[in-house]
Amino acid sequence: AQTVTQSQPEMSVQEAETVTLSCTYDTSESDYYLFWYKQPPSRQMILVIRQEAYKQQNATENRFSVNFQKAAKSFSLKISDSQLGDAAMYFCAYRKDYGGSQGNLIFGKGTKLSVKP
Amino acid sequence: DTAVSQTPKYLVTQMGNDKSIKCEQNLGHDTMYWYKQDSKKFLKIMFSYNNKELIINETVPNRFSPKSPDKAHLNLHINSLELGDSAVYFCASSALRGAQYFGPGTRLTVL
Repeated sequence: AQTVTQSQPEMSVQEAETVTLSCTYDTSESDYYLFWYKQPPSRQMILVIRQEAYKQQNATENRFSVNFQKAAKSFSLKISDSQLGDAAMYFCAYRKDYGGSQGNLIFGKGTKLSVKP
Repeated sequence: DTAVSQTPKYLVTQMGNDKSIKCEQNLGHDTMYWYKQDSKKFLKIMFSYNNKELIINETVPNRFSPKSPDKAHLNLHINSLELGDSAVYFCASSALRGAQYFGPGTRLTVL
């Protein structure tokens, strides 16, 4: 069975600094997707970034980027120029590629990020 | 124009009652899901429907029954509510080979 591990229950970063959240996963599949979701206190689940396993290039979305190491099964999230609004719970998630729209997400336990002014 | 909506956002009820949570998506997605987030924030899949057909049914008590009247709707009915059912329930939908988009969540409190 696939598993997702986030080893940092809590992290803290100074405003305008850079922080990296770690995520490792376990799967025997070769085709899958990886995601980072953000959950602020409003509890809305917001998609931050997505990575297809077949793509070697690391995904980037503005201040958010990932370091995807397929062989090591590692998928870390880097947040640059941290802002107060980045404070939230961050979830790493895995989804097997079934070739269609199916496939539930398997989540890590989350990392709570605090941003200090 | 909310993409995935859920009603109600808060639900407080007594043990033993029956309640429903409704979910609608206007994204044209084929697949919808119900996830449960427990008090420790852990998210786990409950059900998945593809074009109104049940494709995932995790180990969930049969007091929970999903119903999909059409591709855009996936409702969750819960019978005989128990204290342990208190949680946040999220509806989500996904497109072909796409990410999943979540509703705002329903916080269920069973007293």
